[in-house]
Amino acid sequence: ILNVEQSPQSLHVQEGDSTNFTCSFPSSNFYALHWYRWETAKSPEALFVMTLNGDEKKKGRISATLNTKEGYSYLYIKGSQPEDSATYLCAFTPAGNNRKLIWGLGTSLAVNP
Amino acid sequence: NAGVTQTPKFQVLKTGQSMTLQCAQDMNHEYMSWYRQDPGMGLRLIHYSVGAGITDQGEVPNGYNVSRSTTEDFPLRLLSAAPSQTSVYFCASSPLGVAKNIQYFGAGTRLSVL
Repeated sequence: ILNVEQSPQSLHVQEGDSTNFTCSFPSSNFYALHWYRWETAKSPEALFVMTLNGDEKKKGRISATLNTKEGYSYLYIKGSQPEDSATYLCAFTPAGNNRKLIWGLGTSLAVNP
Repeated sequence: NAGVTQTPKFQVLKTGQSMTLQCAQDMNHEYMSWYRQDPGMGLRLIHYSVGAGITDQGEVPNGYNVSRSTTEDFPLRLLSAAPSQTSVYFCASSPLGVAKNIQYFGAGTRLSVL
């Protein structure tokens, strides 16, 4: 069974705080790791797709790193703003079935002004 | 840019009723899929399609049918609704062969089966 685990389940931070959360996935049979941002009452939107061990991606104040050997990815938000409040989902694609996405339950982030 | 359009946004059904959830995309994506989102569970794949005329089952296909007569449309049919199908349904599309399978999601359909 392939599982994707995200931690923490939820997080409350103050505006201006930097924060990070984790996605754990099977380290064997890796193809790609996705991060999506899901705002309440909207649909998930892709943030990053990473495929190589050591990959780092950045979009504005949000960045992500990937360690395929140990099976984890970190998502970092620098200087959190209220508009960063959302659920952040990760999804793992195994090798041999590169259309498959196995989703985590997400980390729900609330940024207090 | 319309992207992925789902209708309706909300629906209430009685047990045993049938209905079709509509999904259309205008990005010429070959791959389309349907997910359901339930509390405490990750997105679960119901059915998917890699092109017109081709469909296949995902993790939780029972009670649902799909068809793909055109590249743009991928409707999801509930044959005889059951309370266990109360969920939020998302349609997604993705181009084949590029962009590492990035999914573009519709806004979702919130379905309640009484």
